[in-house]
Amino acid sequence: KAGVTQTPRYLIKTRGQQVTLSCSPISGHRSVSWYQQTPGQGLQFLFEYFSETQRNKGNFPGRFSGRQFSNSRSEMNVSTLELGDSALYLCASSFGLPNTGELFFGEGSRLTVL
Amino acid sequence: GQQLNQSPQSMFIQEGEDVSMNCTSSSIFNTWLWYKQDPGEGPVLLIALYKAGELTSNGRLTAQFGITRKDSFLNISASIPSDVGIYFCAGQRSGSARQLTFGSGTQLTVLP
Repeated sequence: KAGVTQTPRYLIKTRGQQVTLSCSPISGHRSVSWYQQTPGQGLQFLFEYFSETQRNKGNFPGRFSGRQFSNSRSEMNVSTLELGDSALYLCASSFGLPNTGELFFGEGSRLTVL
Repeated sequence: GQQLNQSPQSMFIQEGEDVSMNCTSSSIFNTWLWYKQDPGEGPVLLIALYKAGELTSNGRLTAQFGITRKDSFLNISASIPSDVGIYFCAGQRSGSARQLTFGSGTQLTVLP
């Protein structure tokens, strides 16, 4: 069974640019969550999508957005990049229902902002 | 952002030794989970706990859901080199929210 696939794995951007990250969940999983991981703040929740609807959102500015498609694949977008956006962005999928809390993570997309 | 208080921050142990780490919170969680992250990888789920007082084992790993719902611990017995990595606790509150609140991690190093 294929795991969670994230693309790209690595990318470098400059301040002010925007970036789109993609996530393909495990087959049959309907919930996709996004987390930001940095050395200083650890793992922070960005948002969660279930059946194409954003169900929950973390404390991040509006520059961070996402969406989910009918096949459960998800994308997140960060606009007007800042140096502090450099991080590992992790996507996690789950069945969604029942809500067991068990998330399965991808390998992440490492974003460097120069 | 809010995080769970996880300790210790790092551990250096000899191969074969047992390891214990724990997480505490000022809030109640209805689910506690433990993850391990290797370099360059995403976190991998080790154990999930759903009931206060629950004790669950997965091979050499044992975890417990604190009776107050505000803490959890993870024990690793007879450590081996592949146990090296960062261990995270995570809690999930009740309701429809699926997001997890993570601890800051315990970096485990196993010395031969």
